[in-house]
Amino acid sequence: DAGVIQSPRHEVTEMGQEVTLRCKPISGHDYLFWYRQTMMRGLELLIYFNNNVPIDDSGMPEDRFSAKMPNASFSTLKIQPSEPRDSAVYFCASSSSRDTQYFGPGTRLTVL
Amino acid sequence: QQQVKQSPQSLIVQKGGIPIINCAYENTAFDYFPWYQQFPGKGPALLIAIRPDVSEKKEGRFTISFNKSAKQFSLHIMDSQPGDSATYFCAAKGGGADGLTFGKGTHLIIQP
Repeated sequence: DAGVIQSPRHEVTEMGQEVTLRCKPISGHDYLFWYRQTMMRGLELLIYFNNNVPIDDSGMPEDRFSAKMPNASFSTLKIQPSEPRDSAVYFCASSSSRDTQYFGPGTRLTVL
Repeated sequence: QQQVKQSPQSLIVQKGGIPIINCAYENTAFDYFPWYQQFPGKGPALLIAIRPDVSEKKEGRFTISFNKSAKQFSLHIMDSQPGDSATYFCAAKGGGADGLTFGKGTHLIIQP
């Protein structure tokens, strides 16, 4: 299995631009999670889906952040407009049970 | 509110020694406690996990000790090797929520 796939791996953008991060979960997994990792706050859950339906988005920091999962094999996390404080590594993880979560390699976002 | 407190922040151990990383949690609804290992530039990878119905779980050189009454759990790495040098995160989830709450991480260095 290819594991969780994220793209792009690195993104550099300017403040105010729209950023879209993409995730392909492991085939057959019905849970998908988006996390953000920063030095200050560590790893934080942003939102998660079960069977393509958003279940908990209480970790989404602001209305500038949105996430979608149009089908079982694809999810996006969008930031519009982006700000320098959004700079972080964004991880997608998937799970076929309510326990073990498999993480992707992450997208390193830098907002100038 | 930091629901999972991890210590120490960093740890240096000689090869063959037994590094011990500790975590404490506050939410008594937590019922799943995994440890993740992360190498630079990679996503976190599950090492070992425990549920509160057992006090210890061992997988290879990695052991989790769990103390439900104290709301604490720890990771022990036996016969540590330089290849174990990484950042280790404890996490927890439960109470109907599927997202993981992570500790802040421990940067472990195993010296040859």
